[in-house]
Amino acid sequence: SAVISQKPSRDICQRGTSLTIQCQVDSQVTMMFWYRQQPGQSLTLIATANQGSEATYESGFVIDKFPISRPNLTFSTLTVSNMSPEDSSIYLCSVEVTGGTDTQYFGPGTRLTVL
Amino acid sequence: AQSVTQLDSQVPVFEEAPVELRCNYSSSVSVYLFWYVQYPNQGLQLLLKYLSGSTLVKGINGFEAEFNKSQTSFHLRKPSVHISDTAEYFCAVSLSGGYNKLIFGAGTRLAVHP
Repeated sequence: SAVISQKPSRDICQRGTSLTIQCQVDSQVTMMFWYRQQPGQSLTLIATANQGSEATYESGFVIDKFPISRPNLTFSTLTVSNMSPEDSSIYLCSVEVTGGTDTQYFGPGTRLTVL
Repeated sequence: AQSVTQLDSQVPVFEEAPVELRCNYSSSVSVYLFWYVQYPNQGLQLLLKYLSGSTLVKGINGFEAEFNKSQTSFHLRKPSVHISDTAEYFCAVSLSGGYNKLIFGAGTRLAVHP
């Protein structure tokens, strides 16, 4: 498995501002994923981040709204831009450990409230 | 495309009773199957997974699940639940082969009562 941390753990933001969420892993991983969990709902994939290449976004999510960086094999950031109350969600990163475990492990999540 | 249906949004059960949380999936290709648990205000923790091999898989905290290809199901079971099992449980599927996204079901809220 992997130990994953996210910062911040929670935040309350004003509409129109942006927030950058950090995801740090204790080992090198090939693929990192960013998911959104809206209040009372299940998880939906925002994008997949492979080190050294542009992130791949799912339908309904765009780079201008959710820019992602993946500068190395242990770190990624997700920015939620120009926020509105509809962006209030839990944002989770997950990783699939290099070596073919075919299993994703999740961070603790970032709980975002937009006023 | 793959999809996951969790047939029960909420399951109330008394402590020490058995429980089954139902999950059906749809896919035209080979998939991997997972159960995750989310305790209040926490991230997701992997309970168990089916990648290949034996169709009965055992996970953490006394949970097990059985992969049934003909019925496209992956139901989660525990013979005796504890208060501490109260949480949200998510069934998920991914394409086989690794490095693929997870598609989640809507979740089942397990509420264990004393």
